Amino acid sequence: DGGITQSPKYLFRKEGQNVTLSCEQNLNHDAMYWYRQDPGQGLRLIYYSQIVNDFQKGDIAEGYSVSREKKESFPLTVTSAQKNPTAFYLCASSMGIRDPNYGYTFGSGTRLTVV
Amino acid sequence: KQEVTQIPAALSVPEGENLVLNCSFTDSAIYNLQWFRQDPGKGLTSLLLIQSSQREQTSGRLNASLDKSSGRSTLYIAASQPGDSATYLCAVSMDSSYKLIFGSGTRLLVRP
Repeated sequence: DGGITQSPKYLFRKEGQNVTLSCEQNLNHDAMYWYRQDPGQGLRLIYYSQIVNDFQKGDIAEGYSVSREKKESFPLTVTSAQKNPTAFYLCASSMGIRDPNYGYTFGSGTRLTVV
Repeated sequence: KQEVTQIPAALSVPEGENLVLNCSFTDSAIYNLQWFRQDPGKGLTSLLLIQSSQREQTSGRLNASLDKSSGRSTLYIAASQPGDSATYLCAVSMDSSYKLIFGSGTRLLVRP
């Protein structure tokens, strides 16, 4: 089955530690996105990538970093500079301009907690 | 700056009732609008996508309408079922980058 796989499902981070969240898709989608969701709120865009080896900052990129070395993979690193990282992180992909009627596919999310 | 608002924040209805969820946006120059469903602790499932040139989309018991000029969209759910209980999120894209701007969602409970 085609889809997006996020791992791990739960992640615990100590103060001052960097952690990396994995996102892999086998949908042959060009564009990939990372969103953050806080309790009772909508999603906010962290980073997005429309093509391999290129990515752009979203609305809340500070304290996060990404890479897009392969079309299938878009890992997100939460650095120690992110002061309030506890949240639910969602990865998504889309075919973007290749098929504007298609829409988005989301992963099942990673819940990050600072301990 | 585009802002997306969803009202009400929470809704509880008896099974079988038809219901309407509302979404409003401040900048009418949208590229498209999507409705998503989110179950507790899960990712989002795309329900309907409406292009800026379209007025509505239908899928089964769901119908989404779009009125760009007034900055509004509605999601109509016919004959609601307990399985429809979830949070429904509205999101708009302003260009072909497909970056989405989300509302905070409507939490729906359908009582048996």
